[in-house]
Amino acid sequence: AQTVTQSQPEMSVQEAETVTLSCTYDTSESNYYLFWYKQPPSRQMILVIRQEAYKQQNATENRFSVNFQKAAKSFSLKISDSQLGDTAMYFCAFMKPLHNKFYFGSGTKLNVKP
Amino acid sequence: DTEVTQTPKHLVMGMTNKKSLKCEQHMGHRAMYWYKQKAKKPPELMFVYSYEKLSINESVPSRFSPECPNSSLLNLHLHALQPEDSALYLCASSQLGTENTEAFFGQGTRLTVV
Repeated sequence: AQTVTQSQPEMSVQEAETVTLSCTYDTSESNYYLFWYKQPPSRQMILVIRQEAYKQQNATENRFSVNFQKAAKSFSLKISDSQLGDTAMYFCAFMKPLHNKFYFGSGTKLNVKP
Repeated sequence: DTEVTQTPKHLVMGMTNKKSLKCEQHMGHRAMYWYKQKAKKPPELMFVYSYEKLSINESVPSRFSPECPNSSLLNLHLHALQPEDSALYLCASSQLGTENTEAFFGQGTRLTVV
């Protein structure tokens, strides 16, 4: 079975600063996908960034980047130049290809303070 | 169009009522999902449809009955619910296969059972 662990229930960061959210996972699979989803108070889950396990290069999307350490089964999210709109719950998720089942971590609530 | 549309946004129902939640997407995705999310918790998978056929049922009570009438629509029929079934119900869709595996989520239906 796959498990995803987010050890930081809540974090705060000042606007314009950088914050890193942690995620670890456990799997015996060699090929899989990892995601960070954001859920603001509006409730909709929005994809922030995606990483394919077979790619060694860390994914980046504008101010968002990941540090993917496959051997350590670690997948952290770095948010640079934090903005008030980044305030949300952030969920780390794991998926096996062709399996159609997403495993979510327990979430990290991020508060960006002005 | 990258939207997953859920209706209604809010629903209050009695324990003897029958109601349905609806979900629609026009992205050509052949996998559709129902998730249940309690406050401050990650989404929990309920059902997965692949090519309009039920492929995963996470041991959900029979008072929840999913239906996939066509490749764009997903329904969740509710009957004789309990107050503990009150939650946010999220619909999602994704491509099938190894590419473009991200899930797109709707805004959810906030269900209250009284």
